Amino acid sequence: GAVVSQHPSWVICKSGTSVKIECRSLDFQATTMFWYRQFPKQSLMLMATSNEGSKATYEQGVEKDKFLINHASLTLSTLTVTSAHPEDSSFYICSARDPGQGALGANVLTFGAGSRLTVL
Amino acid sequence: DAKTTQPPSMDCAEGRAANLPCNHSTISGNEYVYWYRQIHSQGPQYIIHGLKNNETNEMASLIITEDRKSSTLILPHATLRDTAVYYCIVRRSNDYKLSFGAGTTVTVRA
Repeated sequence: GAVVSQHPSWVICKSGTSVKIECRSLDFQATTMFWYRQFPKQSLMLMATSNEGSKATYEQGVEKDKFLINHASLTLSTLTVTSAHPEDSSFYICSARDPGQGALGANVLTFGAGSRLTVL
Repeated sequence: DAKTTQPPSMDCAEGRAANLPCNHSTISGNEYVYWYRQIHSQGPQYIIHGLKNNETNEMASLIITEDRKSSTLILPHATLRDTAVYYCIVRRSNDYKLSFGAGTTVTVRA
């Protein structure tokens, strides 16, 4: 089945530094990937839609200059948290749609295992 | 997308069937019902989806009422590994985005 890999699975950084998280579709090509953020004991919140070869589409309230998204190839999207601060500490999860999974019209999304960011 | 309502939590016994309800009274004719689950500290996992017919796969069964205003996810023989938050989501087939509500926290007890 479809597999989405995220790296790193966890990262600790100092306040003010930037952190890059990678999301790869391992056995399929994904023109569209999604980035979510999840705080403890809360549900997932969609941050942005990553489109291969074009600019990402950010959800309302998400700072595009702080959360830089690059989707340079059909199998890789990256999320860079710039000038991270403790309030950016969260669980970041990406997902991608595999057109070959599920019946026609299924639009099933495959999720990565997530990346836990802790900013000191 | 139509809004869904799920109970915040439920317990079930290991080996028994777990029936998870979801209300989606404002669902439109072209909207599907999807179920995902998230085991602690992992990414969500797709379980099953349906439009109006009942569906079954190796993980679960999905029962959708005739008026499509509610559905039930059935885990036929719950195991401890089925402990997770289960999300019922309604969306159009051509809408790639998934919006997650609070879901139902299911705890399977030995």
